[in-house]
Amino acid sequence: EVHLVESGGGLVQPGGSLRLSCVASGFTFSDYWMSWVRHTPGKGLEWVANIKNDGSARNYVDSVKGRFTISRDDPKNSLFLQMNSLRAEDTAVYYCARALYSGNSDWGYWGLGTLVTVSS
Amino acid sequence: QSALTQPASVSGSPGQSITISCTGTSSDVGSYNLVSWYQQHPGKAPKLMIYEVNKRPSGVSNRFSGSKSGNTASLTISGLQAEDEADYYCCSYAGTRSTNWVFGGGTELTVL
Repeated sequence: EVHLVESGGGLVQPGGSLRLSCVASGFTFSDYWMSWVRHTPGKGLEWVANIKNDGSARNYVDSVKGRFTISRDDPKNSLFLQMNSLRAEDTAVYYCARALYSGNSDWGYWGLGTLVTVSS
Repeated sequence: QSALTQPASVSGSPGQSITISCTGTSSDVGSYNLVSWYQQHPGKAPKLMIYEVNKRPSGVSNRFSGSKSGNTASLTISGLQAEDEADYYCCSYAGTRSTNWVFGGGTELTVL
């Protein structure tokens, strides 16, 4: 059974940094692109970033480019999101997500999410 | 402002059918058969209900169906049940513009 477990969220001041982690199990992690998707009550869902299964390609939504970095450690079945220069508008629940099938453009599996609050 | 446009809310009585629309552009919904739909209950993670416009993952009820015409995708739920009450989001691949994927703003479904 596929499991994705996020951690690392919390309260941080504007301009601060956080590093989110996601530990995966139940599938061959190195076979899949992985993504971070966030949810806010006001804006809904927003795709944030993804990383190719071999780490050779990374993509970001414009609003986080230059501030967030996605990475992975395949031997440890782990996905990360380094978030710097955080802003109030980054406040959200951040989900780690995987496609239903390898190569799909959807997210069939989600973690429970980790809450990031950016506030002074 | 979301890239895809959905109605803010829809409602229906148990047993009825409802349809949620999702309007994009020729650069996203109109260009790719990569529209997906997600159900989200309060405080829970999203759940994939439809992928690639009209495919259902294993375990999703056949009361849920998807379609697309031009720049507009639709999710239809037939035989409404109380547990269908949730927020629904559409999503489309958008290529390599400012974002690879775009979501709708979400539709709150109320089962009367």
